[in-house]
Amino acid sequence: DAKTTQPNSMESNEEEPVHLPCNHSTISGTDYIHWYRQLPSQGPEYVIHGLTSNVNNRMASLAIAEDRKSSTLILHRATLRDAAVYYCILRAINAGNMLTFGGGTRLMVKP
Amino acid sequence: NAGVTQTPKFRVLKTGQSMTLLCAQDMNHEYMYWYRQDPGMGLRLIHYSVGEGTTAKGEVPDGYNVSRLKKQNFLLGLESAAPSQTSVYFCASSYSVSGSYEQYFGPGTRLTVT
Repeated sequence: DAKTTQPNSMESNEEEPVHLPCNHSTISGTDYIHWYRQLPSQGPEYVIHGLTSNVNNRMASLAIAEDRKSSTLILHRATLRDAAVYYCILRAINAGNMLTFGGGTRLMVKP
Repeated sequence: NAGVTQTPKFRVLKTGQSMTLLCAQDMNHEYMYWYRQDPGMGLRLIHYSVGEGTTAKGEVPDGYNVSRLKKQNFLLGLESAAPSQTSVYFCASSYSVSGSYEQYFGPGTRLTVT
């Protein structure tokens, strides 16, 4: 499976934008990029996913580099509730819905 | 709509005891999954099912068995618990059709084996 590399932790101030990076230099042409997050003491929840083009939804935006070797999850205005571990995951198109979680980035949001 | 529910929420077992964790979903999802999460780590897939009556091994299947007798339920069994199985267990479900990629997770079961 293609692997992802994320910083262990990041800090942000409340109501400021947050850019969470993810490197995936061995990504194949058919791998989707997924982001999940896990709030304290909860199960993970889906945030966003994309293949080649940038994506927006109500939770976040996903910016994908032109060569697809990196991506960035953007939270436009961080709130205290956004403090969580964010996982960047590659999903192979022929792997059904299987996800392989790495260590993720722990985002801390300061009031 | 309850989503994905897990029973029990907490459990303490002695080494060698057995138990079954129950996962239920009310979204009519075809796929269901069992993960474990050790402290400070990401989730690892134990077993999964792509439909009623089917199961398959994930990344860390040893010491666990599963069954999917009904579409809405996915059971995870530990026949002889070991301290190494102390972990938080998460169940998830998803659709199988192309384009429906989101996995929905339950709240987790915290298991301690002494």
